[in-house]
Amino acid sequence: GAVVSQHPSWVICKSGTSVKIECRSLDFQATTMFWYRQFPKQSLMLMATSNEGSKATYEQGVEKDKFLINHASLTLSTLTVTSAHPEDSSFYICSARDLAKSNYGYTFGSGTRLTVV
Amino acid sequence: DAKTTQPTSMDCAEGRAANLPCNHSTISGNEYVYWYRQIHSQGPQYIIHGLKNNETNEMASLIITEDRKSSTLILPHATLRDTAVYYCIVRVAGRDDKIIFGKGTRLHILP
Repeated sequence: GAVVSQHPSWVICKSGTSVKIECRSLDFQATTMFWYRQFPKQSLMLMATSNEGSKATYEQGVEKDKFLINHASLTLSTLTVTSAHPEDSSFYICSARDLAKSNYGYTFGSGTRLTVV
Repeated sequence: DAKTTQPTSMDCAEGRAANLPCNHSTISGNEYVYWYRQIHSQGPQYIIHGLKNNETNEMASLIITEDRKSSTLILPHATLRDTAVYYCIVRVAGRDDKIIFGKGTRLHILP
């Protein structure tokens, strides 16, 4: 149980275009999801907290107009990287919480590798 | 947020026990210690968590000192597949409930 699916697993896009990444909780409902970004040989950096039915909460330094987050249902959050540039190339990971699990249910997706050319 | 300190990297021979230390001297009384690992190019994987008592599951054991200022993750019989970055995390109390990752320990299992 407690599976989080991320799609796509990798994507290559041209500079200036937008890319949408989906994060789905497959067997549980998640009122809260988290989005992370990871550059090579670095740790995961929290970008934002996605809240179902309300606005996302962004970490300091993360541009909310560039990284659009939508959490329209209890099983789906999307991250859209708008007007992508090569410096946005990174590994993006989502996480969701299953309150029914005894470990407080932090499950992570398998990640999306974004390359902007 | 309570912060953790881990060695940057460690080596362990295949088949031996891997002992990964973590210091969390500012942990609060109601905060848990979590361990996750991240294999290259994958999302983090939950390993184990604990509050005060030592814990064991099918993956690992967690030993927490009596003063809760440090802990050790033990992989009893390390295999090559255990090569990963291991993160020790103290859960942030409060409504946000977010996980903040430190730099972790890069564990190399040597054949």
